[in-house]
Amino acid sequence: EPEVTQTPSHQVTQMGQEVILRCVPISNHLYFYWYRQILGQKVEFLVSFYNNEISEKSEIFDDQFSVERPDGSNFTLKIRSTKLEDSAMYFCASRTQSGVSTDTQYFGPGTRLTVL
Amino acid sequence: KQEVTQIPAALSVPEGENLVLNCSFTDSAIYNLQWFRQDPGKGLTSLLLIQSSQREQTSGRLNASLDKSSGRSTLYIAASQPGDSATYLCAVRQAAGNKLTFGGGTRVLVKP
Repeated sequence: EPEVTQTPSHQVTQMGQEVILRCVPISNHLYFYWYRQILGQKVEFLVSFYNNEISEKSEIFDDQFSVERPDGSNFTLKIRSTKLEDSAMYFCASRTQSGVSTDTQYFGPGTRLTVL
Repeated sequence: KQEVTQIPAALSVPEGENLVLNCSFTDSAIYNLQWFRQDPGKGLTSLLLIQSSQREQTSGRLNASLDKSSGRSTLYIAASQPGDSATYLCAVRQAAGNKLTFGGGTRVLVKP
């Protein structure tokens, strides 16, 4: 069964460093998302991406964050200058086009980001 | 702003008992609602998606109901097993936009 994959599974970085989190969505999907979950808190939406542009973003997704789909398969989240409070599990998700029988968002296994 | 709440935060039942998990949301203008399972330190596994026009959706031992007007969904898991132990999350997608807003989850322990 197709699945969303994410690398790395765990990333440790120093405060102020740049990190890139990588995701490979399901191949025929057109909508891509990043969410994060700080330990013990709710899963929070960061950004959605469709047709090579951001379609929606949350207040969390400030100028320190960016997303890119550099080729036909990868979807990346970059954090330019990490802060301690960026420590969280980051989930990538994807879904197929609206109008199909299912709008299910499929999530990857997550990347645990630890900022020291 | 949509708020999603799941009560109780934790639940412990003996094996074989039916599980009833609750989810409530403040804005009834939703497009759909999804139930997920999350194992400790792991990703989210989609269990069921129920469209706003549907009253319920079933998959195996799982049944989700939706009462949009009262802002509630319930996930029923029949004949619980120790392998059902996990955190169960509900998430709603608004009619406008395509992000999911999550509840805090219910942590379930099924005791053998």
